[in-house]
Amino acid sequence: QVQLVQSGSELKKPGASVKLSCKASGYTFTDYGMNWMRQAPGQGLEWMGWINTNTGDRTYAQGFTGRFVFSLDTSVSTAYLQISSLKAEDTAVYFCARERFTSSWYADFWGQGTLVTVSS
Amino acid sequence: DIQMTQSPSSLSASVGDRVNITCRASQSISNHLNWYQQKPGIAPKLLIYAASSLQSGVPSRFSGSRSGTDFTLTISSLQPEDFATYYCQQTYSSPRTFGQGTKVEIK
Repeated sequence: QVQLVQSGSELKKPGASVKLSCKASGYTFTDYGMNWMRQAPGQGLEWMGWINTNTGDRTYAQGFTGRFVFSLDTSVSTAYLQISSLKAEDTAVYFCARERFTSSWYADFWGQGTLVTVSS
Repeated sequence: DIQMTQSPSSLSASVGDRVNITCRASQSISNHLNWYQQKPGIAPKLLIYAASSLQSGVPSRFSGSRSGTDFTLTISSLQPEDFATYYCQQTYSSPRTFGQGTKVEIK
């Protein structure tokens, strides 16, 4: 069965960096893209962007350029999100989600989320 | 960017009620509209994709429809497990914006 398992919670100081992982299983990793979403405490969902797991092409939403980097290790079916120069406002749950196309694009399977807390 | 305006932002309903949640796009998005359900502390779950296609395993009491740039998620008979927050998302163009969410609470 399809599963996306994300890495555990992180507590970081402002200015530090963090690298989150999203390990896929149950399907061919490079057949589907990977989305990343952010959800700040008590807030709604924000689409951060997506990475084409076949070509490595990345698309970032405005507001998630520069400090946010999507990457892959296809040998272990894992997608990564690295955030540098962390700020308090980066405190949020970060979700990865598999992207599928059947007459439209949609995220059909989601990871459980990783909580990143940025605090001094 | 395409703006997605969801209404209402919250609603109170009873078990067995018919519930409609609407999402309006700021421009044409064809049928590129998805609906997700999220319960507290849990990742969102896909309910409807391409405006009206029911995701595998989702109960048939959930349905989606489209009229121009207005999209509706309907729960035909609300069940106790349906109390949650619902989000629409357009995937017509980048950024793939979400609506602000509709919280469905118990009356």
